[in-house]
Amino acid sequence: EPEVTQTPSHQVTQMGQEVILRCVPISNHLYFYWYRQILGQKVEFLVSFYNNEISEKSEIFDDQFSVERPDGSNFTLKIRSTKLEDSAMYFCASRADRGSETQYFGPGTRLLVL
Amino acid sequence: AQSVTQLDSQVPVFEEAPVELRCNYSSSVSVYLFWYVQYPNQGLQLLLKYLSGSTLVKGINGFEAEFNKSQTSFHLRKPSVHISDTAEYFCAVSDSFYNTDKLIFGTGTRLQVFP
Repeated sequence: EPEVTQTPSHQVTQMGQEVILRCVPISNHLYFYWYRQILGQKVEFLVSFYNNEISEKSEIFDDQFSVERPDGSNFTLKIRSTKLEDSAMYFCASRADRGSETQYFGPGTRLLVL
Repeated sequence: AQSVTQLDSQVPVFEEAPVELRCNYSSSVSVYLFWYVQYPNQGLQLLLKYLSGSTLVKGINGFEAEFNKSQTSFHLRKPSVHISDTAEYFCAVSDSFYNTDKLIFGTGTRLQVFP
């Protein structure tokens, strides 16, 4: 069964450093998402992406964040200058098309900012 | 704007007992409703969803949920739980009217099944 994959599974970085989290959505899916889950808190929407542009973003997704689909398979989340409060589990998700409402989630990348 | 409330942060239950995990939502427009499960150190897996039609929906692993529009609820049930059902369960909504498709999650309910 096709699945969303994410790399790395864990990342430790120093405050102020840039990080790139990578995701490979399910092939032929058209809609892509990033969510995050701070330890002990709810899963929060960050951004949605369709047709090579951002469809919607949350208040959390400020200028320090960016997303990109550099080729036909990868979908990346970049945090330009990490802060301590960016420590969280980051989930990528993808959805097939307009008629399919199910988002399929990857296993997540646990980011720790020191 | 939508919101989701999962009143029970933890639900302990013995194996083979029935369980209900509660979910209430708030929205000014029609919604789609979802239950996701998160096993330890894993991502989110879809259990079931309500889009339209029959208000009783059946999902994987013997779970079912009932959409109650008047009570704005979407409670998850299983008649007999197994040890392997121990996990975190998240209720989520998305807007079906404007179809903005971002998922709004509740805070989660940790189901702990004891032998």
